[in-house]
Amino acid sequence: SAVISQKPSRDICQRGTSLTIQCQVDSQVTMMFWYRQQPGQSLTLIATANQGSEATYESGFVIDKFPISRPNLTFSTLTVSNMSPEDSSIYLCSAEGQGARGYTFGSGTRLTVV
Amino acid sequence: LAKTTQPISMDSYEGQEVNITCSHNNIATNDYITWYQQFPSQGPRFIIQGYKTKVTNEVASLFIPADRKSSTLSLPRVSLSDTAVYYCLVGASRSNSGYALNFGKGTSLLVTP
Repeated sequence: SAVISQKPSRDICQRGTSLTIQCQVDSQVTMMFWYRQQPGQSLTLIATANQGSEATYESGFVIDKFPISRPNLTFSTLTVSNMSPEDSSIYLCSAEGQGARGYTFGSGTRLTVV
Repeated sequence: LAKTTQPISMDSYEGQEVNITCSHNNIATNDYITWYQQFPSQGPRFIIQGYKTKVTNEVASLFIPADRKSSTLSLPRVSLSDTAVYYCLVGASRSNSGYALNFGKGTSLLVTP
């Protein structure tokens, strides 16, 4: 299975600023996904990022707030823009699986907005 | 996407076998059943996937009855390190191509000495 390096692992940010989260995959993958996970809760899909096209956002998430880049088949970024305390959460990226081995996830970015 | 229902939490002692059952009454003919494990401060990790009957790997077994409306993840002789949240997912294709995973609430398993 692919291995994903996600960074930063955590950050504390001031409200009104932006943070860009990076995910690097050790192999080429067509589809990548971004999730948000509130402490103690399940994962919520933010968007699907396909290389060479604009990301597809789920209901409740918009590009202006969570712009995503997917410049090649091994890399993606998610930016959390104009942050407020409500954006405090864990953000995870994921890459589609290879065969029946399932999807791979990054270790997550724990974001705290103060 | 088929909705899944699993217990919110389970407790077990070390060395016991743990069985976590997931209900998915609306599973479609082409759907596979996949289980993920998530430790605190980590992303989910694939455990096992199956379509019908029984699947076993080095980590767990997955039992799926003929009607496929439920499935049971079996963890043999759990240890403290098996304490985690376990998610049952239905709907990703076997080739895992192009489908985002939709996570339910999961089952929080606590293993104690």
